[in-house]
Amino acid sequence: GQSLEQPSEVTAVEGAIVQINCTYQTSGFYGLSWYQQHDGGAPTFLSYNALDGLEETGRFSSFLSRSDSYGYLLLQELQMKDSASYFCAPLGGFKTIFGAGTRLFVKA
Amino acid sequence: KAGVTQTPRYLIKTRGQQVTLSCSPISGHRSVSWYQQTPGQGLQFLFEYFSETQRNKGNFPGRFSGRQFSNSRSEMNVSTLELGDSALYLCASSLDGTGGRSTEAFFGQGTRLTVV
Repeated sequence: GQSLEQPSEVTAVEGAIVQINCTYQTSGFYGLSWYQQHDGGAPTFLSYNALDGLEETGRFSSFLSRSDSYGYLLLQELQMKDSASYFCAPLGGFKTIFGAGTRLFVKA
Repeated sequence: KAGVTQTPRYLIKTRGQQVTLSCSPISGHRSVSWYQQTPGQGLQFLFEYFSETQRNKGNFPGRFSGRQFSNSRSEMNVSTLELGDSALYLCASSLDGTGGRSTEAFFGQGTRLTVV
């Protein structure tokens, strides 16, 4: 079967670091993607991990541990514009599964 | 390069009616996936089409159907609309879909369907 768990909400202060965790179970897994969605907007691709370890893209980093079926998105130097919903999306089995996502609130 | 285009952007329908939504993927992309998004439920997978064939389907009733044309444009249809079908419907295109190990999907702005 397919399952996906992310925290529903996270709140952090501007300039801080925040980690959004994701645990998943999916058949035919071959990678984990992350997407960002602002209110009223479409989800946009942030990063992808095919291998274990950390991938860094500017202020955003994503980590994957395939043996633990676990990943996280790390956002550094938080800005107000980072307030959005974040979805992890395990890829496999001819479909990409998105969950309810994590709502990030960045406070001044 | 043009992005993913969904039409219409907004739609109001009455219970019992049917509706057809359209999605034009990025040129060269052959995979189109459809998702339903409601507050608190995230993105629920409806189905994926690749080269005019449905490759996978989510857990939605048979009232939800779709198809893909030879130019990769896709439509989804919902028949006998219910109030609970009110949602944002998003389509995403990728080069060859998850079966081909595409790692990035590009989303359209969605169609906001309201059923009254």
